[in-house]
Amino acid sequence: RKEVEQDPGPFNVPEGATVAFNCTYSNSASQSFFWYRQDCRKEPKLLMSVYSSGNEDGRFTAQLNRASQYISLLIRDSKLSDSATYLCVVNEAAGNKLTFGGGTRVLVKP
Amino acid sequence: NAGVTQTPKFQVLKTGQSMTLQCAQDMNHNSMYWYRQDPGMGLRLIYYSASEGTTDKGEVPNGYNVSRSTTEDFPLRLLSAAPSQTSVYFCASSDISGIQPQHFGDGTRLSIL
Repeated sequence: RKEVEQDPGPFNVPEGATVAFNCTYSNSASQSFFWYRQDCRKEPKLLMSVYSSGNEDGRFTAQLNRASQYISLLIRDSKLSDSATYLCVVNEAAGNKLTFGGGTRVLVKP
Repeated sequence: NAGVTQTPKFQVLKTGQSMTLQCAQDMNHNSMYWYRQDPGMGLRLIYYSASEGTTDKGEVPNGYNVSRSTTEDFPLRLLSAAPSQTSVYFCASSDISGIQPQHFGDGTRLSIL
């Protein structure tokens, strides 16, 4: 089983709609969680950190469910520019590096 | 606003050649990382360095070497290039390894013929 798993998609989303997807992790002691965005042929860029209480940044909302060991990302009022691959990132509790999921591809269409 | 700088951006090598991918960061970050990204494989960690003078193997270290003689620089050396090393390579840095998010360079696209 992979340490960090994501549905690869693609999620085809009408412009203006809401889309949500999850990421599961295997290490119950993980402490740091992030969502990154990666555009085609570009480097990953930090979208947002994920806090225990959940957090929101504009149209983006991240949630952490420790009991079920997953994090989620919700995008409201999708824009064409939201089309990208979203990478889930989790730390190894006792280690000193982050593990990246394979990414979820989102395509927002007019 | 340089952040993490990688050179070169593109490179074509012949099998058996060696080369060094350069990575420099100007954020005074302690930790630096090298990843490769292949279609359908996601990001895989090659080597990382938690601080100047230390390096550790990641998931796929074979065929590569690194050193961390300064805080700013973390070069990745391909010892004898193989077609299986054709990939996009990303360097990243972070302040506190495993806790703070990583900042990425814009990648090196490497083709081995």
